[in-house]
Amino acid sequence: AQSVTQLDSQVPVFEEAPVELRCNYSSSVSVYLFWYVQYPNQGLQLLLKYLSGSTLVESINGFEAEFNKSQTSFHLRKPSVHISDTAEYFCAVSAKAAGNKLTFGGGTRVLVKP
Amino acid sequence: DAGVTQSPTHLIKTRGQQVTLRCSPKSGHDTVSWYQQALGQGPQFIFQYYEEEERQRGNFPDRFSGHQFPNYSSELNVNALLLGDSALYLCASSLVGSNTEAFFGQGTRLTVV
Repeated sequence: AQSVTQLDSQVPVFEEAPVELRCNYSSSVSVYLFWYVQYPNQGLQLLLKYLSGSTLVESINGFEAEFNKSQTSFHLRKPSVHISDTAEYFCAVSAKAAGNKLTFGGGTRVLVKP
Repeated sequence: DAGVTQSPTHLIKTRGQQVTLRCSPKSGHDTVSWYQQALGQGPQFIFQYYEEEERQRGNFPDRFSGHQFPNYSSELNVNALLLGDSALYLCASSLVGSNTEAFFGQGTRLTVV
């Protein structure tokens, strides 16, 4: 079984400041790692994913996440946030043999202040 | 491409009633998974359907059941509703064996009163 811990439930941040959302996972098997974003009253949208290869993955809107196997972490960062980044962010894992069965963390609510 | 569509968007039911939620997967996808997202929490996996059969199941009671049709669309049924079943129900579709990305619908907000 897998579990995901998001260490911060809420992160207030000023516009144009950097932000880091922490994610740690536990699994006895190899996993794929994901970050999803959820805007108010909407479903989940994939932000970025780590499947294999380079441990640093990037999204098209400036987010990046680094897979650290030894620390079982997949922290999400953005060097400069915008008001439009206000949302809830979920870290998720999927065991490689689990066929897209996702285990989510509890979420981190990011509030970007002007 | 309409993506994953779910209906209805909102629903209010009384305790003890039964409810059916519907999901149409993204074009080309053959696998549908259902998740329950309680307020302020992350989504929890309910079950997954492929080839019209339940392939995986999370820690949910038998009151939660589902179905997948030949066109890959799916239904989630919940019997004997409890107040605690109030949540956002999310459907996700994917392609079997891809292990890459699951696409989510907008969800159905179920309120049990």
